[in-house]
This record gives sequence, structure tokens and C-alpha cells, in this order.
Amino acid sequence: GQNIDQPTEMTATEGAIVQINCTYQTSGFNGLFWYQQHAGEAPTFLSYNVLDGLEEKGRFSSFLSRSKGYSYLLLKELQMKDSASYLCAVRDGDYKLSFGAGTTVTVRA
Amino acid sequence: DADVTQTPRNRITKTGKRIMLECSQTKGHDRMYWYRQDPGLGLRLIYYSFDVKDINKGEISDGYSVSRQAQAKFSLSLESAIPNQTALYFCATSDLRLEYNEQFFGPGTRLTVL
Repeated sequence: GQNIDQPTEMTATEGAIVQINCTYQTSGFNGLFWYQQHAGEAPTFLSYNVLDGLEEKGRFSSFLSRSKGYSYLLLKELQMKDSASYLCAVRDGDYKLSFGAGTTVTVRA
Repeated sequence: DADVTQTPRNRITKTGKRIMLECSQTKGHDRMYWYRQDPGLGLRLIYYSFDVKDINKGEISDGYSVSRQAQAKFSLSLESAIPNQTALYFCATSDLRLEYNEQFFGPGTRLTVL
């Protein structure tokens, strides 16, 4: 199985940068996903890492270190609409996802 | 737009009742999943299917059953609902033809068992 940890809550100011960390212990690793979920809505796909390093996609970047079982999601130039929960998910060799409990990010004006 | 839909969106029922949640997709994806989401616990996998007639148990399948009679439809049943099955239920789809085989989620069904 998978054990995935991420902080419960983070608060940041509009225009700032926030980094959400995710650590995992896995019995099989086949990629790491980040999803965004606004309150009462479905999760939506943000990023995917399977090799070590940084993947950049506009204001969002995601980093992976497989040897450390560690990933982070970096949100730059924060906007009010970025207030949401961010879910870290690890995929195993059977293509099943295990999710962390999510990090609620609140962006303040 | 190709989509994932869930019915009903909200349901209140009583302990012991049989409940069916439906999921339909127009994405043409082979793989379908059922999750439940509880505050502080995140999304947990109930059942998944990689093709029609293929059924696999997830992390928390006890008390649930599923049916995949067609590629586009995946139903979740609670044979005898109990209060701790009160949760937000999500259906998701994916396909190996996608670049990352990422999952696409339906809008969710909020189920309350009294």
C-alpha cells in the first residue's frame, strides 16, 4: 500500500508563492499526480511526474525525488481563484491511485 | 464536450435501504473507478474496472458492489446502506491512450444515510 503525507492547511497572500510538500512511502511507484479540487467540485488534473526533476506548466510547477519519496507543488503569482484543496496522488504498478488527504490553500487579498 | 456524469447528485436515504449510484462517460475511456471522499481522509478507492465485465476490489470494497455492463457505464450499489457510508462519491475514468493515463472525475454524488 501507500502512505502519503501532506500538510492540512496553508495560507498565502495574493501574488505570493506557495509550496505544498508531499512525502510518500510506496510498495510500487508508477508516477505521482497533483490534482486541484475546489470546494464541492470534482478534482481536476494539474501535473504528473514520473522521473526526478521539475515539471513546469505556467504558474504551476511540480518536483519529484524518487529516492527521497518526496514531491512538491509550487504555485506562483497566487490568485484568489487558486484557493482550493491540492491532492497528491501516487500511482502503483497496477495503475491504481492512492491519494493524500489534501492540502487546503487559502489565498488572502 | 466528452464528459463524466453521475446520477443522482444528492441522495438522502435510510439505514438498510438499497442504493444505486450511476456513472456514465462519453470519453470512450476503458478504465473506470469509484471513490469515496471523507473529510480528513482524502479519496479512497472502492472498486475499479479496466474493461467491460472486469471488476477489481479497491481499498474499501466491503459493503459495496459494482456492475460494468457497458464501456460507458459503471454502477455502484450499496446493498444495505449504513450511516458510516455517508460520504461524497466520485466516479473517474482513464485510458492508457492518454499521455499520462490521468483520471477524469465526475461531479460527485453526495450521499447521506440516516
